[in-house]
Amino acid sequence: AQTVTQSQPEMSVQEAETVTLSCTYDTSESDYYLFWYKQPPSRQMILVIRQEAYKQQNATENRFSVNFQKAAKSFSLKISDSQLGDAAMYFCASQTQGGSEKLVFGKGTKLTVNP
Amino acid sequence: DTGVSQDPRHKITKRGQNVTFRCDPISEHNRLYWYRQTLGQGPEFLTYFQNEAQLEKSRLLSDRFSAERPKGSFSTLEIQRTEQGDSAMYLCASSLAWGTGNYNEQFFGPGTRLTVL
Repeated sequence: AQTVTQSQPEMSVQEAETVTLSCTYDTSESDYYLFWYKQPPSRQMILVIRQEAYKQQNATENRFSVNFQKAAKSFSLKISDSQLGDAAMYFCASQTQGGSEKLVFGKGTKLTVNP
Repeated sequence: DTGVSQDPRHKITKRGQNVTFRCDPISEHNRLYWYRQTLGQGPEFLTYFQNEAQLEKSRLLSDRFSAERPKGSFSTLEIQRTEQGDSAMYLCASSLAWGTGNYNEQFFGPGTRLTVL
């Protein structure tokens, strides 16, 4: 079974600063994906960034990057140059290939961006 | 195509009533997922369909819950004899089934927020 743990219920950052959200996971599978999803208030969940477990290089998407530590089963999200629009719930999730390919989510981190 | 849509967006009902939610996936997507998100938690998988076949159900899906996807297009999730513990956001997502070496993103709808009084 897969599990995903986010130990930071809330984080805050000043506009234009950098913030890192933490996530650890556990899986017995060798072929899996990890994700960060963003859920703004009263809006739908959108994918921020994806990491394939077989890739050693950390994924980046503009101001968003991850630090994937496979041996430690750690997957953190770094948001650079934070903007007011980054304020949202952020969920870490895992997915294995084959079968249902359902997403397994952590409990989320609420990010506040202060002007 | 404007993405995954869900209806209604909000539903308030009294305990013991039946409710039905609808999800319209992205038209070419053959997979459709239902998740439930309670306050302070991440979404939890309930069930999924590939085309019209329901292939997996979570133990969270009690026998009061039933889901259908006739003709492999839209899906409905029905909850019979609602309980206060059913209060949650019900999320629908759709994707293409993965092919070998391919990744297909799950796209989420806005959710239906159920409140059981």
